[in-house]
Amino acid sequence: QQQVKQSPQSLIVQKGGISIINCAYENTAFDYFPWYQQFPGKGPALLIAIRPDVSEKKEGRFTISFNKSAKQFSLHIMDSQPGDSATYFCAASSENSGNTPLVFGKGTRLSVIA
Amino acid sequence: EAEVAQSPRYKITEKSQAVAFWCDPISGHATLYWYRQILGQGPELLVQFQDESVVDDSQLPKDRFSAERLKGVDSTLKIQPAELGDSAMYLCASSLRGLNEQFFGPGTRLTVL
Repeated sequence: QQQVKQSPQSLIVQKGGISIINCAYENTAFDYFPWYQQFPGKGPALLIAIRPDVSEKKEGRFTISFNKSAKQFSLHIMDSQPGDSATYFCAASSENSGNTPLVFGKGTRLSVIA
Repeated sequence: EAEVAQSPRYKITEKSQAVAFWCDPISGHATLYWYRQILGQGPELLVQFQDESVVDDSQLPKDRFSAERLKGVDSTLKIQPAELGDSAMYLCASSLRGLNEQFFGPGTRLTVL
């Protein structure tokens, strides 16, 4: 049973456009929702994360929107650049239960074209 | 900037051989995780340590995989014997006690021939 569903699987965006990646979760105990960026051959790098006490968090060009009632969260990349081309993973965990492993989505391969 | 260190970065081995991977977490991080990432998929947990103790190894194939973190700092993951299906990226991550903000190392890419 996949606990975190991510879409789309791949995404092509024009330079300067907005990239939007969506995730949905099932476990209501999840209370920590990070996004990771991964380049080929590298480990995932923490990009931005949100906890359910807020509905939106913005860091530079990256914004997470969170809808607790719908059990959904999304990543928006504004002014997308070719250097943003990578695979993005959403994840979730239950921080209230102490240190717990992250459950990852299957990833979205983003290509930003000039 | 503090980083999670892993070695080797790449490992090619033949099936039935033994392999070992090493991870040094960020200093002060009590929690250490080993994840496996198959090409085209998200990482999946193999084992979690809190200090030197295993807290979750439910997804670790214990007939062939073992992990230890003897002094509660660095950790070793071993596979013996390796099988073709073990080809994957093995990722180590660490976090502070009580926080799930996890930082990943560069990974070890294992190819089993």
